[in-house]
Amino acid sequence: SQQGEEDPQALSIQEGENATMNCSYKTSINNLQWYRQNSGRGLVHLILIRSNEREKHSGRLRVTLDTSKKSSSLLITASRAADTASYFCATDGTTDSWGKLQFGAGTQVVVTP
Amino acid sequence: EAQVTQNPRYLITVTGKKLTVTCSQNMNHEYMSWYRQDPGLGLRQIYYSMNVEVTDKGDVPEGYKVSRKEKRNFPLILESPSPNQTSLYFCASSRTTGTAPLNTEAFFGQGTRLTVV
Repeated sequence: SQQGEEDPQALSIQEGENATMNCSYKTSINNLQWYRQNSGRGLVHLILIRSNEREKHSGRLRVTLDTSKKSSSLLITASRAADTASYFCATDGTTDSWGKLQFGAGTQVVVTP
Repeated sequence: EAQVTQNPRYLITVTGKKLTVTCSQNMNHEYMSWYRQDPGLGLRQIYYSMNVEVTDKGDVPEGYKVSRKEKRNFPLILESPSPNQTSLYFCASSRTTGTAPLNTEAFFGQGTRLTVV
């Protein structure tokens, strides 16, 4: 069963704009991760935020986590055409299910020049 | 270069003809898993392995088998493929970081697009 659910399902923006997508999940987590998938290719790990962290940055990426609301957001600032991809959140469960990532259905982002 | 290699990348087969998709990683990871990706459903875990000779079912294991005889290899076997197994398959190996509770970060292969007719 899907643990994470991304919103929106699709997002179309112009270069230079910011892209924000959200992820909600259902059960307790150890951490939450975001992955990027270029069309038909393997997923690439972007960033991981632990359950005791609230915000994390990596280059143009900013991730927030609100465990009380069981939600996370991924912000891509100053987007580029190369950011066009699908973005997935994945939750890493608590100790008895470590290693098992539960993925959402993804947000498809299109950045037009 | 650290990588997860799947083969083949594309496969068209007929119902009932046994097939194997190979997966190999060169990062010495203990944890490996197989996912299938279908439109609107995201990635769903088929099987996983926490170490050599240790495998377990994921969320959608029916119709699949795996083996883990060596740390680097984790093949996915479809004994009698059916059309509902037409999908995009990904193998992943995971590294653990930090202190307990451990964090796992997955490295994915390029995918195998399987069509069963």
